Amino acid sequence: EAQVTQNPRYLITVTGKKLTVTCSQNMNHEYMSWYRQDPGLGLRQIYYSMNVEVTDKGDVPEGYKVSRKEKRNFPLILESPSPNQTSLYFCASSPGGQETQYFGPGTRLLVL
Amino acid sequence: GEDVEQSLFLSVREGDSSVINCTYTDSSSTYLYWYKQEPGAGLQLLTYIFSNMDMKQDQRLTVLLNKKDKHLSLRIADTQTGDSAIYFCAESTMDSNYQLIWGAGTKLIIKP
Repeated sequence: EAQVTQNPRYLITVTGKKLTVTCSQNMNHEYMSWYRQDPGLGLRQIYYSMNVEVTDKGDVPEGYKVSRKEKRNFPLILESPSPNQTSLYFCASSPGGQETQYFGPGTRLLVL
Repeated sequence: GEDVEQSLFLSVREGDSSVINCTYTDSSSTYLYWYKQEPGAGLQLLTYIFSNMDMKQDQRLTVLLNKKDKHLSLRIADTQTGDSAIYFCAESTMDSNYQLIWGAGTKLIIKP
């Protein structure tokens, strides 16, 4: 089944403790992206990747890192999480940047 | 910069038509999308329209695009309880290198 998977789905952590949210797609898509969703703000793009080893900042990249060492995986790294990074995070992929994006189920993160 | 705006809430009676509106500012839009997010779930593409089209119909869904006014609408005929969700409008533009620009989402509430 074609899908985008994220792990973990739920995470509670404390300020400053490094964490990684994984994202994987099995559709051989070139484009992958991370968003955060906050009430009343809709989706804001954190980082995106047009292809392997190519990543670019989105609208809200501060406090986040990503890597794209292989086509299927696009992990989101929070080196030193802070409470303002408490949010719902979505990974998405598409065949190319202009095409329909397929979304993962979301990761709900709470930073205490 | 680019901006996409939607009302945050819409309440309709079951069986009536729902019309969700969206306005955008970037005239270089190429594609305009409607995504649906059911409670606790990720985003699912409902439909999209090319910027050179005026209308697109798909079963109960009708998308209308007024390029002059930069106004996009999604009409859901015979609204059912299963239509209860948040609906996001998004555009991709040449100016944003085809990154999606999202509205904040409209929560559709169905009254019995």
